[in-house]
Amino acid sequence: DIQMTQSPASLSASLGETVTIECRASEDIYNGLAWYQQKPGKSPQLLIYNANSLHTGVPSRFSGSGSGTQYSLKINSLQSEDVASYFCQQYYDYPTFGGGTKLELK
Amino acid sequence: EVQLVESGEGLVQPGSSMKLSCVASGFTFSNYGMNWIRQAPKKGLEWIALIYYDSSSKYYADSVKGRFTISRDNSKNTLYLEMNSLRSEDTAMYYCAKASSLWYFDFWGPGTMVTVSS
Repeated sequence: DIQMTQSPASLSASLGETVTIECRASEDIYNGLAWYQQKPGKSPQLLIYNANSLHTGVPSRFSGSGSGTQYSLKINSLQSEDVASYFCQQYYDYPTFGGGTKLELK
Repeated sequence: EVQLVESGEGLVQPGSSMKLSCVASGFTFSNYGMNWIRQAPKKGLEWIALIYYDSSSKYYADSVKGRFTISRDNSKNTLYLEMNSLRSEDTAMYYCAKASSLWYFDFWGPGTMVTVSS
């Protein structure tokens, strides 16, 4: 199985700030990476696929980048509605998820 | 609008069986692969099963292989997960999720809770 290591596990940021979440794969996943947002008590929602493609309806302040084994999710100009947990997922092989990043407001 | 609604929530004893359902609407169900993904309380996400659009292929995580069976009825727009020999570690929120053309999940249901406890 491909292991996904996500960091940080938790993050506190201020409104308007830019935040970055990292995800490292145990082997090259050739941009087969998605990011999800999960708000408390809700199901996950797709944000990014193919490492850097924005899913329909997702605000442009979200962006993804990376290649090989290293990927990142950036949120520009943090809004209150962005408070959530974020998960990466590789789909180069059988799907596996990162451990998640809990984003809170400072 | 894509909608996925799971059902089958409940409390069961270890060793018992349970069947979950997921009714889909808002897209052509028979054209897409479907998945079950679970999340133990306050834990991360675990993909557990995938079924192709035409049921020709099914894939399982090692943690459920041989105990869980994924199936679908395209005439009813419904996905199923039959769970046997349930263990306490199967306690989780179970989500059905539509697959994109690749193995990421573009729409998820709200989930249904399964608790395995004596």
